[in-house]
This record gives sequence, structure tokens and C-alpha cells, in this order.
Amino acid sequence: SQTIHQWPATLVQPVGSPLSLECTVEGTSNPNLYWYRQAAGRGLQLLFYSIGIGQISSEVPQNLSASRPQDRQFILSSKKLLLSDSGFYLCAWSVSVTEAFFGQGTRLTVV
Amino acid sequence: GENVEQHPSTLSVQEGDSAVIKCTYSDSASNYFPWYKQELGKRPQLIIDIRSNVGEKKDQRIAVTLNKTAKHFSLHITETQPEDSAAYFCAASPGTYKYIFGTGTRLKVLA
Repeated sequence: SQTIHQWPATLVQPVGSPLSLECTVEGTSNPNLYWYRQAAGRGLQLLFYSIGIGQISSEVPQNLSASRPQDRQFILSSKKLLLSDSGFYLCAWSVSVTEAFFGQGTRLTVV
Repeated sequence: GENVEQHPSTLSVQEGDSAVIKCTYSDSASNYFPWYKQELGKRPQLIIDIRSNVGEKKDQRIAVTLNKTAKHFSLHITETQPEDSAAYFCAASPGTYKYIFGTGTRLKVLA
């Protein structure tokens, strides 16, 4: 069966520090991969999505970047975190236009 | 651009009553409409979905209706129970691998 792993679960980082969040999917090939951000009590904002290795689409210009070095690996990065980067980050995968499966999420607090 | 509006943002109902959440999408190419339930601090999980060639779909106490002409779709929960209390998100997919989410509805079922 397919599973998605996202880590870490929680992270506290100082302003100006770098960020790397990793997501991996098992049990499927060539998935569509997504990064979403959820501010406290708010909706899901699509940040990046990828339909293949090295193919990244950015939805919102910001302080973050994404990479897909392997078929089932999706990484969210920042060179210098801002206070406004705090939030709940969710990785997700899907095959074609069907149900999207979410990882457990990473709660990032920038201090 | 692509946008999904969701109302209401909060909803309180008495146990046993029905709850209705409404969404409107902007991209007429959208052809897949999932609904996700997110319990506090957890990942969103699919509860029901509908495709554009269907007007209504039901699964036990949950139903979704779609009006393509008006670009509206709604979630109906009947005989609500305390465990239905959660955040609910609608989404629309224009068939380009993206899922655009609404801003969410916090449902509270009062015992």
C-alpha cells in the first residue's frame, strides 16, 4: 500500500535560519506531489506542485523553494526564514486527478 | 485566476440536526470536487468527492451536490454527531493536477 512520510513533525527555527522539510512517498510511481501551507485556523494554500522529477510549479511567489531530486521525494526549502513563514506545512501526493493523500504535517514556528 | 470560496467559516449545529457547507469555484474547467475533513492538529482526509459528470453523490450521512452551471457545490451532513466536529475543506481541480482549496468551515456539533 502507499504511504507518505513527512518530517519533522514540529520545528522551531530562528528568523534568518535555513529550512529543509522532506517528504517521501512509498508504494507508487510517478506521483504528483504537493506542498501546502496552513496558517492557524485558516485554509490550505498551495505553494508548489510537481508532476515529475525536476518539474516544479510555484503557485505563490515567496521566500520558499521546492525541489524533487527523486521520483518520490519532495523537499521544501528556504535560505532565510521569516516570521511570516510560520505555519503548518503539509505534503501530499496523488495519481492523476483523484484523491490527494496528505502527510502528517510539520508545524513550523519561526521565532 | 483559480479561486474557491467557502461559506460559512464557522457553523454550530445541535446534535441530530443537519449541516450544509457551500462552495463556489471560478474555473469552469474544474472537473473534480473533493471534500476533506481535518481534525485539530491532524492531516486532512477525504470524506467524499464528486466529478463533473455527476450531480449528486451520497455516502451514508454525507452527500455532495454539484451545480455546474452555477459553479456551486455543497456538502450536506445529516443527523450530525459530536464526532463530526472538525474543519471541513472543499476543493476544486481544473484537471491540471492542482487542487485549489476553500478557506474551510469549522463545524461544531453541540451535544
